Amino acid sequence: GAVVSQHPSWVICKSGTSVKIECRSLDFQATTMFWYRQFPKQSLMLMATSNEGSKATYEQGVEKDKFLINHASLTLSTLTVTSAHPEDSSFYICSARDRQVYSNQPQHFGDGTRLSIL
Amino acid sequence: GQSLEQPSEVTAVEGAIVQINCTYQTSGFYGLSWYQQHDGGAPTFLSYNALDGLEETGRFSSFLSRSDSYGYLLLQELQMKDSASYFCAEMDSSYKLIFGSGTRLLVRP
Repeated sequence: GAVVSQHPSWVICKSGTSVKIECRSLDFQATTMFWYRQFPKQSLMLMATSNEGSKATYEQGVEKDKFLINHASLTLSTLTVTSAHPEDSSFYICSARDRQVYSNQPQHFGDGTRLSIL
Repeated sequence: GQSLEQPSEVTAVEGAIVQINCTYQTSGFYGLSWYQQHDGGAPTFLSYNALDGLEETGRFSSFLSRSDSYGYLLLQELQMKDSASYFCAEMDSSYKLIFGSGTRLLVRP
């Protein structure tokens, strides 16, 4: 159980394009979803926290107008990288928190999206 | 602020035991998680400690001491497939996870 599906798994696009990444919890309801970014050889950096039906909370230094997050339902959150540039090339990973009060696993991670901007 | 410290690299031989330490400095600490990540892959959950003590899951164990702001991951009977990066991550009361810089484990035959 507790599967998080992230789509697409990889995308290559031209500079200036906007790219949308979807994160779905398949068999549980996610009160909260998180978006991370990871550059090569580095750790996962939390970008933002999204709660269903409300605006996302962005971490310091993350441009909210560049990285648009929508959490329209308890099973779907999307991250849109607007006007992407080569420096936005990275591994983007989402995770979801189970709505259950207690879970032995704090967050369930998707398989990530590898974004390459040419 | 929040920061977690863990060694950058550890090397061990197949069959051995290795311990990866993690120290954290934060307010609002709720629990400590450990994740494994192979090159090119997503992080895989290993364990979570909210209370002091040892949690054992097969070959992997994790320990937490809240009074010392310290935890460790213990890997026993190392196998070649255990070569990966290991991250400790602290969770706060809002369920946010802040990751450490990661420890690259190399298991040699």
